[in-house]
Amino acid sequence: DIQMTQSPSSLSASVGDRVIITCRSSQSIKSFLNWYQQKPGQAPKVLIYGASILYRGVPSRFSGSGSGTDFTLTISGLQPEDFATYYCLQTYSNPRTFGQGTKVEMK
Amino acid sequence: QMHLQESGPGLVKPSETLSLTCNFSGDSIDESFWTWLRQSPGKGLEWIGYFYYSGSTNYNVHLKSRVTMSLDTSKNEFSLRLTSVTAADTATYYCARLPKGEWEMLDYWGPGIVVTVSS
Repeated sequence: DIQMTQSPSSLSASVGDRVIITCRSSQSIKSFLNWYQQKPGQAPKVLIYGASILYRGVPSRFSGSGSGTDFTLTISGLQPEDFATYYCLQTYSNPRTFGQGTKVEMK
Repeated sequence: QMHLQESGPGLVKPSETLSLTCNFSGDSIDESFWTWLRQSPGKGLEWIGYFYYSGSTNYNVHLKSRVTMSLDTSKNEFSLRLTSVTAADTATYYCARLPKGEWEMLDYWGPGIVVTVSS
């Protein structure tokens, strides 16, 4: 299985901050990476696919980059509604595997 | 607007079969791959697999021997069967849509259903 490792596991930030979350895969997954946001009691929602393609309707403050084994999700100007847990998902091979999540909390 | 909703028993006994259904609306059955995932505190988010209306499937290799997915086009429902369950199968189960396209991603999800495996 391809292991996906996110860092940090959690972070504290303030509204307006720039937040960067990283995801590293145990082998190359080219650009087959998604990012999801999940709030308590809700299903995940897709933010980014193909490593850097913003899903329709997702605010432009979210951006993704990377290829191969190293990826980042950047939130430029954190908003109150962005406090949530973020997951990466590789869609390169079976089984698809998620990172363990990064919880973004209010400072 | 796409809508998905999981249903099924919230409690299953060990060694028995877990059966869940996902009712969907707002999409043509042949435009997407229909996906099941689950989430538990211990394992995090786990991909179970997906299938296409033609019968093509892609199951998690670690669950493949216990998983069956199927479709009822007359009811706009797709189903998950997981046999020989143990406490490790306790989780919130989600159905989701994987639209056909160049890139794989899950754009619509059901709200999830909590399933507990216990005697």
